[in-house]
Order: sequence, then structure tokens, then C-alpha cells
Amino acid sequence: EVQLVESGGGLVQPGGSLRLSCAASGFTFSSYWIHWVRQAPGKGLEWVANIKQDGSVKNYVASVKGRFTISRDNAKNSVYLQMDSLRGEDTAIYYCRRSLDYWGQGTLVTVSS
Amino acid sequence: DIQMTQSPSSLSASVGDRVTITCRASQGISNSLAWFQQKPGKAPKSLIYAASSLQSGVPSKFSGSGSGTDFTLTISSLQPEDFATYYCQQYNSYPQTFGQGTKVEIK
Repeated sequence: EVQLVESGGGLVQPGGSLRLSCAASGFTFSSYWIHWVRQAPGKGLEWVANIKQDGSVKNYVASVKGRFTISRDNAKNSVYLQMDSLRGEDTAIYYCRRSLDYWGQGTLVTVSS
Repeated sequence: DIQMTQSPSSLSASVGDRVTITCRASQGISNSLAWFQQKPGKAPKSLIYAASSLQSGVPSKFSGSGSGTDFTLTISSLQPEDFATYYCQQYNSYPQTFGQGTKVEIK
């Protein structure tokens, strides 16, 4: 069974940092692009970033470029999202997604003083 | 960035109705379009990729069509479990972008 489990969310002050993790199981992790998608409270979905199977290609939405870094460890079947210089508008549920199919349950990030 | 516009933003329908949601891209995206369903408090669920290909396990009452700039998601006979918000997403170019969502409510 394919599973994606996010962790690492929480409350952080503006300007702070947080590292999200997405632990995968039930499939050959190294064969898939992995995406991060977020959803602000009461709002729609926003694509944030993705990473190629071997980690050689990474893409970001403009609003997080230079502040967020996506990475992966295929030996640990995990993808990470390092979030620095956090702002109030980064408050959202963050989901990881395998390619275009399976989603995790999400982890909530709240940026507030 | 490619803007994705869904219509309508919301609709009311009855059980058994045929429902069609439209998604329009601000420029051509070939068939690089996916559809997702999200119920309140839950993670999204993937329905369709490549505009018309059903994800594994998704019932055939869902269908997608279109290419270029205009796409549709059709639910052939609405059931109680289908009341949800539906999103389209283009993956033809970066940044990948979602439509604003279409909320399907019970009439």
C-alpha cells in the first residue's frame, strides 16, 4: 500500500525556520517525482515545489524561491522541505504528493507571533 | 505563469444529476491536466491525469476531456459521496498551477 506521511509542522514565529519531512512507503521511491502542495486556511491548493527522482532537478513557485529548499534521501525514502524566513502567508497545510496520484494527509504550519 | 480558471465556482445539484465542471487555461497546455477531489478536512484525492485518464481505483462515473486550453470534468450520476470541491491543475509548465476550485453542493 502506497503511503506518504508528512511531519514537522507546527507554530513558528515570522522569520523563523521549519523542516518538513515526507516519509514514503509501499512503492519504489526513487522512481518518482515528489511534490509539495499547500493549502492556506479556507483557500485553494497551491503547488509549492517538486524534485526529480535523483534529486538533480528542483522547481519552486516564485513566492518561496530563495526561502524554501526541497531535497530527498532515496536511501531513507524521504523528501524534505526546508522552510526559512517564514512569513504569515506561508501558514497552510502542507501536503506531499507522489507524481500525480497519491497524497499524504498533510502537516499544518502556522507562522505567527 | 499559466492561469487556470474553473467554472462555475460552485454549483448545487441533486443525487443522480449529471455534472460538468470546466477548466480553462490562459495558454495551451496540450493534455497536461489533472483533476482532484477534496472533501472537507481531508487531503485531496487524485481522479484524472493527462486530461482524460482515470487514476487507478477511480470509478468510471468520472470522466475528463479536452486539450489545449479547454477541459471538462464530468460526473455522470452524482452520488452523496461526490459532494466535494474539485480542482484542476496544469503540469505543462512551471510553476504548476491549480484552478480556484469548484464546490459541488447538495440541492
